[in-house]
Amino acid sequence: LAKTTQPISMDSYEGQEVNITCSHNNIATNDYITWYQQFPSQGPRFIIQGYKTKVTNEVASLFIPADRKSSTLSLPRVSLSDTAVYYCLVGAGGNSGGYQKVTFGTGTKLQVIP
Amino acid sequence: NAGVTQTPKFRVLKTGQSMTLLCAQDMNHEYMYWYRQDPGMGLRLIHYSVGEGTTAKGEVPDGYNVSRLKKQNFLLGLESAAPSQTSVYFCASSRPQTSGEETQYFGPGTRLLVL
Repeated sequence: LAKTTQPISMDSYEGQEVNITCSHNNIATNDYITWYQQFPSQGPRFIIQGYKTKVTNEVASLFIPADRKSSTLSLPRVSLSDTAVYYCLVGAGGNSGGYQKVTFGTGTKLQVIP
Repeated sequence: NAGVTQTPKFRVLKTGQSMTLLCAQDMNHEYMYWYRQDPGMGLRLIHYSVGEGTTAKGEVPDGYNVSRLKKQNFLLGLESAAPSQTSVYFCASSRPQTSGEETQYFGPGTRLLVL
């Protein structure tokens, strides 16, 4: 399983863009990069997923360089409600190995300040 | 469409007691997972299932058993609870994609306290 490393915590003011970088040096060819968000006392919630280059949805953008050894989650204009723990996961989908082999690290605790 | 639901939401057990946690999903997903999350930690996979009638061990399976008799349900059992099993338990489900992408949908969690 690919090991991921991300900052333990980050602070940001409301309205700013937040970039959280995750390193995954031993990512495998079949692995996808997925980010989840978790609020206190709730289960993780899918944010975005990608394989290479850039992916954008209504919530965030995911930037993946050509070597895929890192990825950056970008949250535009954060608000207080974005205060949460963000997990970077690397793993292959079910059809690649029987189930989605991913590892949840400790995540990045984002605190948005008024 | 309720997604993934978990029963109960909270439970207190004495050491040595047994209990079963129920997870149900209405998305017709093939894969289901049980994770535990300890304070300040990420999620660790306990057991998983890739289809009805099949289960397998994850990262931390000791002290737990599971069953998947119906596609929509995944049960996690503790035969003899220990204080070390005090945790928040999350169930998740997913549908594998041919391209390798996969999104897990999580339930709200069950808080278990073992005294």
